[in-house]
This record gives sequence, C-alpha cells and structure tokens, in this order.
Amino acid sequence: DAMVIQNPRYQVTQFGKPVTLSCSQTLNHNVMYWYQQKSSQAPKLLFHYYDKDFNNEADTPDNFQSRRPNTSFCFLDIRSPGLGDAAMYLCATGAGYLSYEQYFGPGTRLTVT
Amino acid sequence: SQQGEEDPQALSIQEGENATMNCSYKTSINNLQWYRQNSGRGLVHLILIRSNEREKHSGRLRVTLDTSKKSSSLLITASRAADTASYFCATDLGRGQNFVFGPGTRLSVLP
Repeated sequence: DAMVIQNPRYQVTQFGKPVTLSCSQTLNHNVMYWYQQKSSQAPKLLFHYYDKDFNNEADTPDNFQSRRPNTSFCFLDIRSPGLGDAAMYLCATGAGYLSYEQYFGPGTRLTVT
Repeated sequence: SQQGEEDPQALSIQEGENATMNCSYKTSINNLQWYRQNSGRGLVHLILIRSNEREKHSGRLRVTLDTSKKSSSLLITASRAADTASYFCATDLGRGQNFVFGPGTRLSVLP
C-alpha cells in the first residue's frame, strides 16, 4: 500500500545533541511537509518542499533544517535540540498545492533529556 | 495568530448520538479540510470542501461551509466509540505555506 513512513517512531536525544528524523513516501507526491505538534496542540507547519524547492515558515527557528535528496525521502535535522523541542514531529505529503489533501505519517515522538 | 479555531474544545457524547464541531477562520480560503487524529498517531484526512461549495457528505460525515461567516461545521451522525479522537480543521489559502490547523476538538464517544 502507498504510504508515508517515519523513522524512528520514538527518538530520545540529549540536550544540544544533533538529531535527524526521516520520512519516506511511496505516493510519488510533489510536496512533503514537516509539522511539529506539542501535547494537546494543533500541528504547526515548520516547512515544506515542493519538488526540490524549499519553503520555510517565517517563524520556524533556525535550529530546524530539512533536506530532500530525492522525491521519496525528506529529513528533519534539529541542530541543537532544546527541552522545548520535545514534541511529535509529523511528516505529510501532498500531490500539489491547490485543493489536495495531505497524507500523514504516524509521527516521530522526540524526547530531549 | 491562528487561522482556524474549533469549537468546542472538548465534547463528550453517548454512542449513537450526533456530534457537531465548528471551525471559524479569519481570512479568505481556497478550501477547508477536516482531519481526525487518534491519540498519539498521525492525522487522517476526512473531507475537503472548496470555497465555492456549501455542503459535502461522506458516509456518516457532513461538512458545511459558510464563507460569509468564515465558518465550517463537521457533523458526525450515529457516533461510535471508534470515533473518539481529536478533530482538526485546516484552512488552505492555496499557496502551500498557509496550511494552518485549528486547535482541534477532542471528541469522546462513550459506549
């Protein structure tokens, strides 16, 4: 089945230690999104790629970076995680911008110790 | 500030009852989407309604959109325990970077 896969499902990292979360998709969608969701809050869009074009949200901290080496894979890099970065990180894909639904992966829950 | 806001924040009903959730937003939209999220999981798309549509149905789900009031509602009929989840509306301004989720409604359906 076509899907969005996130690895790992749970990640523990130390304060200040770089961490990378990965997302892959078999849907061949043009757009890949990264969201941060804290407990009992709405998902917050961090950035997205449309093909190779990177689009950053204005309020996304510089501590968060992303890479998309090919259509199928997208990575979220947190350069120096702080305690406030502990959250669920959701990857989503979309076929395009206008009137397309987003397909979400199961998420990676990040704990910062 | 948030584009979409859901009302109520939490809703508890008995199995078989109907559940209605509302979403308000601030600016003009291209479309509005509703998603469901089970505890600790990813989001699942339910319905997309375009700005020129007023109502859409999908199974036990009915979504309305009133662009003059900048509001939408999601009705779940004959609710089941499996409908227990958080429901989010998301507004799409059509430019990719403006896909904003509301804070969500936590629905509990009691058996």
